[in-house]
Amino acid sequence: AQSVTQLGSHVSVSEGALVLLRCNYSSSVPPYLFWYVQYPNQGLQLLLKYTTGATLVKGINGFEAEFKKSETSFHLTKPSAHMSDAAEYFCAVSESEKLTFGTGTRLTIIP
Amino acid sequence: KAGVTQTPRYLIKTRGQQVTLSCSPISGHRSVSWYQQTPGQGLQFLFEYFSETQRNKGNFPGRFSGRQFSNSRSEMNVSTLELGDSALYLCASSSGDSGWRSPLHFGNGTRLTVT
Repeated sequence: AQSVTQLGSHVSVSEGALVLLRCNYSSSVPPYLFWYVQYPNQGLQLLLKYTTGATLVKGINGFEAEFKKSETSFHLTKPSAHMSDAAEYFCAVSESEKLTFGTGTRLTIIP
Repeated sequence: KAGVTQTPRYLIKTRGQQVTLSCSPISGHRSVSWYQQTPGQGLQFLFEYFSETQRNKGNFPGRFSGRQFSNSRSEMNVSTLELGDSALYLCASSSGDSGWRSPLHFGNGTRLTVT
């Protein structure tokens, strides 16, 4: 059965600092992996996705994630945090018949 | 291209009443999924419709139902509302051609409050 674990329900970083949001998954088949972002009072928006091929995936707003099969991880990073990055971030894993979301990580940016 | 549109944005209902939420997907998308989002439970999958047929279903009671029309618009109905049904209800559309491997496009949700 597939599952997603997001370590840290709340993460705070200073403006300009590195953002690292952690996601580990389990899947019985090669997974498709997604990161979504949710701003206050809005729905979720796709940040990036991993399907096959290159393991480093670049997304919108300067975010990227690296698929590491040996560590079953798909951590989200951004070199320099902006105030506008404050939001909730969701990792999701997909097999052919099911999509599973993590519990989310709320990112706070400290001025 | 217009995004996913959900109406209404906010709704206040009383226990025991029933409610219908509406979702218009992105033009050309045939799959519509519904999610319930609460602070305690996170995102929980309700059901998915593809070409007017329910293709997948989550673990919600029968009070929660949905349907999809020939133009891919979808409605979700909750009967006999309970206080615990208070949540943000999110609709998402996708092409659906690759099952759950197609990225989802979400609406801004309907905030339902049950008093």
